[in-house]
Amino acid sequence: SQKIEQNSEALNIQEGKTATLTCNYTNYSPAYLQWYRQDPGRGPVFLLLIRENEKEKRKERLKVTFDTTLKQSLFHITASQPADSATYLCALPLNAGNNRKLIWGLGTSLAVNP
Amino acid sequence: NAGVTQTPKFQVLKTGQSMTLQCAQDMNHEYMSWYRQDPGMGLRLIHYSVGAGITDQGEVPNGYNVSRSTTEDFPLRLLSAAPSQTSVYFCASSSERDRAFFGQGTRLTVV
Repeated sequence: SQKIEQNSEALNIQEGKTATLTCNYTNYSPAYLQWYRQDPGRGPVFLLLIRENEKEKRKERLKVTFDTTLKQSLFHITASQPADSATYLCALPLNAGNNRKLIWGLGTSLAVNP
Repeated sequence: NAGVTQTPKFQVLKTGQSMTLQCAQDMNHEYMSWYRQDPGMGLRLIHYSVGAGITDQGEVPNGYNVSRSTTEDFPLRLLSAAPSQTSVYFCASSSERDRAFFGQGTRLTVV
């Protein structure tokens, strides 16, 4: 069955640097992949969606890549700020590219130090 | 728009008690889901619905019931609470192939 792996270790970086988070999946290539941010005690908040025919997507300081050969998505935050400190989750559809069932990675905790 | 509204935010139950977690969305989304989130386990799907009157099981459905009588509401029922159901519960809604919107969560403790 499809599995998602994200860096389990927390990522600590200095303010202003670029944070790079990884999401690997194991089986079939999904029609799309999503990235979310979760703050303590809150529900996940959507950040970016990238489709299988897109290599890269950008939104302000965020960039997502999708490599179906490597079965990997990379999530970059450029010019990072302490306010970017949170847990970042990736999710992808389990079946047929729709939202009936999403599976989720465990998330990577990011700490941006001033 | 309120988005996805979950109630209550916190709840303590005794073993064996039943309760209903409420979830409502005002975005006319067809898909709604219930997840539980536990340390080291991530988000796990309990039940989901693809429209009014249609529900299906997720990864961890045992001990939980759902129904979807309207597009807006998707309540989650705990039939006989057990300590293993202590968790944070999230309701989410989405349309097909689009972002999921989450509620603020319900922190449930079963003693």
